[in-house]
Amino acid sequence: KQEVTQIPAALSVPEGENLVLNCSFTDSAIYNLQWFRQDPGKGLTSLLLIQSSQREQTSGRLNASLDKSSGRSTLYIAASQPGDSATYLCAVRSYSGAGSYQLTFGKGTKLSVIP
Amino acid sequence: DAGVTQSPTHLIKTRGQQVTLRCSPKSGHDTVSWYQQALGQGPQFIFQYYEEEERQRGNFPDRFSGHQFPNYSSELNVNALLLGDSALYLCASSFQGSDYGYTFGSGTRLTVV
Repeated sequence: KQEVTQIPAALSVPEGENLVLNCSFTDSAIYNLQWFRQDPGKGLTSLLLIQSSQREQTSGRLNASLDKSSGRSTLYIAASQPGDSATYLCAVRSYSGAGSYQLTFGKGTKLSVIP
Repeated sequence: DAGVTQSPTHLIKTRGQQVTLRCSPKSGHDTVSWYQQALGQGPQFIFQYYEEEERQRGNFPDRFSGHQFPNYSSELNVNALLLGDSALYLCASSFQGSDYGYTFGSGTRLTVV
């Protein structure tokens, strides 16, 4: 059974600081990994998708890396802004049998960027 | 291009009642998955529908059931509601076998009193 862990559970940083969020998963046989952002009480917004064959993906100030063999991914946020304050969720897509895939989430990292 | 649409946005039900939540997938997507997210937790997988059949199911009791229609939209039904069913219910759509990941809706906030 795939398990996803995110560390730290919460993080508070001053505006402008660079930061790293960590995600680890127990089964390295993944199809891809997706990072999401969730604002309080809202749905999930996809930030970056990394295929199992890729090492990293970049979008603006965000960079996500994937080391499938060690079961780890990191989300790097450069020059953080107060608008980046949200919960960041890591999810891995794994084959679950009968031609289907399943997405397994971590509990998220709650980020607060202080002006 | 419309994303994933969920209705209603909020819902308050009494313990023991039944509830139906609805989801319209993103255009071009044929697979719908449902998740339950309790406060402070990550989303938990309930089940997935593809070709109008339940393909995968998470660790949820039979009180949770669903349906997918020919237009790929889906319903989540919960019977005999418990206080512990209070949560944000998220619908995600995808295209079976594609590499493009999942698109989530804004969710339905269910409160059971």
